[in-house]
Amino acid sequence: NAGVTQTPKFQVLKTGQSMTLQCAQDMNHNSMYWYRQDPGMGLRLIYYSASEGTTDKGEVPNGYNVSRLNKREFSLRLESAAPSQTSVYFCASMGNYNSPLHFGNGTRLTVT
Amino acid sequence: GENVEQHPSTLSVQEGDSAVIKCTYSDSASNYFPWYKQELGKRPQLIIDIRSNVGEKKDQRIAVTLNKTAKHFSLHITETQPEDSAVYFCAASANQAGTALIFGKGTTLSVSS
Repeated sequence: NAGVTQTPKFQVLKTGQSMTLQCAQDMNHNSMYWYRQDPGMGLRLIYYSASEGTTDKGEVPNGYNVSRLNKREFSLRLESAAPSQTSVYFCASMGNYNSPLHFGNGTRLTVT
Repeated sequence: GENVEQHPSTLSVQEGDSAVIKCTYSDSASNYFPWYKQELGKRPQLIIDIRSNVGEKKDQRIAVTLNKTAKHFSLHITETQPEDSAVYFCAASANQAGTALIFGKGTTLSVSS
């Protein structure tokens, strides 16, 4: 099993450009999440999807959109990238409520 | 929504000493409290978790304690080793649909030999 797969691993954008971060899991998990990690700020929840067909805002949703394409895939879109969105982005999935969260390897995004 | 505070932000210990990291949470509905370890350049990995129906859980050199009345939980690492050096995150969530894990800001643990 691959677990949680994120693409790309690295990305550099110019201010104003758009891009989509892809995430897929092969564990048949219901819930999927997007977090961003910045030095000294921990892991902050951007958006999550408790089940296929639903999405909810997390702690820092501004500037992002998400799509739960099917049970396996949950994408994160930056419509107009800003330097403040420079970060490491982690996708994660969870099976049942309060079972372990499985993280992908992360995407390191730099916005210049 | 839930808010998780974690202290200290950095912790330096000598090999063989114990390390304690403390977290507090705000939402009384939270009942799941995992701890994650993240090594440099890697993804966070679960090391131990506790649910609100127990007060303490141990796994070899690590243990977690929970005080629901005070809304705080702690990670204890005994006999620390250099490979314990990493960033540790606590988190909290409620056991219901529509909730998600909220993380503390992390503790950078350095174990020197």
